Amino acid sequence: SQKIEQNSEALNIQEGKTATLTCNYTNYSPAYLQWYRQDPGRGPVFLLLIRENEKEKRKERLKVTFDTTLKQSLFHITASQPADSATYLCALPMGYGNNRLAFGKGNQVVVIP
Amino acid sequence: DAGVTQSPTHLIKTRGQQVTLRCSPKSGHDTVSWYQQALGQGPQFIFQYYEEEERQRGNFPDRFSGHQFPNYSSELNVNALLLGDSALYLCASSPDWLSGTEAFFGQGTRLTVV
Repeated sequence: SQKIEQNSEALNIQEGKTATLTCNYTNYSPAYLQWYRQDPGRGPVFLLLIRENEKEKRKERLKVTFDTTLKQSLFHITASQPADSATYLCALPMGYGNNRLAFGKGNQVVVIP
Repeated sequence: DAGVTQSPTHLIKTRGQQVTLRCSPKSGHDTVSWYQQALGQGPQFIFQYYEEEERQRGNFPDRFSGHQFPNYSSELNVNALLLGDSALYLCASSPDWLSGTEAFFGQGTRLTVV
């Protein structure tokens, strides 16, 4: 089954700097990869989806890259703000052609004013 | 649009009891998935319903069962509760159960088994 690794240590970052999170996966290469944001006690909120034939995707201050050779995705938050403090989850489909998702443990980001 | 709604938000049950959690998907979505999220972990896929049938199932015992109704709403039932079933249960809906699309999650039901 797919194994997804995200850094278990919280990332503390100064306001205005760029936060970079890593998602590594093993086994098969997925058709796409998703990133979600989760606040304490709440459900995940979808942020970005990047497909296997896309190298980079942007949405406002967010940027995601997808390297199928390295089996890695990087998630960037530029000009970070205290409101960006949350846990960010990487998710991949568990099989080709279906949206049954496998999630990483998540990476907590704390933006310091 | 109310998005995905789940009820109840919190629940406390005794070991051995049974529980039913409910989910209404986002308007226009016909696929409902259930996830279990233990503290400090990512969500784990339980099962997925489409056209009132269980289409996919994760690595969960038969104590976990579900149902989808004609209006696409869904229930998750857990029998013979164990302490280890304490978790945040998340419902997610999507417009397509086969292709890659974003999943819309509800706020979750926090289940505590004592």
